[in-house]
Amino acid sequence: AQSVTQLGSHVSVSEGALVLLRCNYSSSVPPYLFWYVQYPNQGLQLLLKYTTGATLVKGINGFEAEFKKSETSFHLTKPSAHMSDAAEYFCAVSAGGGADGLTFGKGTHLIIQP
Amino acid sequence: DAGVIQSPRHEVTEMGQEVTLRCKPISGHDYLFWYRQTMMRGLELLIYFNNNVPIDDSGMPEDRFSAKMPNASFSTLKIQPSEPRDSAVYFCASSWLGNEQFFGPGTRLTVL
Repeated sequence: AQSVTQLGSHVSVSEGALVLLRCNYSSSVPPYLFWYVQYPNQGLQLLLKYTTGATLVKGINGFEAEFKKSETSFHLTKPSAHMSDAAEYFCAVSAGGGADGLTFGKGTHLIIQP
Repeated sequence: DAGVIQSPRHEVTEMGQEVTLRCKPISGHDYLFWYRQTMMRGLELLIYFNNNVPIDDSGMPEDRFSAKMPNASFSTLKIQPSEPRDSAVYFCASSWLGNEQFFGPGTRLTVL
């Protein structure tokens, strides 16, 4: 069984500041890890994913995440926030990648202050 | 490609009525997933199919819910009878060979 914990239901940062969204997971098998973004009244869009190999994963829109097995974490970062980054972000885990259902965290609402 | 298509985008119905949600996956994709999003429970997997065959329906909340995939290009999620607690956004997603899941825009269901 898998589970995901996202620390902070709301995170507020200033435009240009570092974005850090936290995600910890639990999995009984080597996990596949994902970050999705959801804009209001839209579906989910994949930002990045970790399957195997390099633990630092780069995604779209300047986001990246690092898989740390010892800490069971997969935190999402972006060096400089932009107003367009304001959205809901979901961390997810699965045992079989896209061949298995995703278990999502509760989501983090990212607010960008001008 | 048009992406995953869901219909209707919004559905308002009264308690006790039958509701059918529809999904057209991306052409060529062999996996199809149904998820539900609520404020209280977040995003939950309901059921998923591989090559039109249901693989895991353990997330289906109760017998009032049923899902079918009669062919590779169409799936339905049916609720009969509907209840107010079924109000949620229902997402369909598809993937190919176990790669990235692509999500549709969702159907917002309101049961009065």
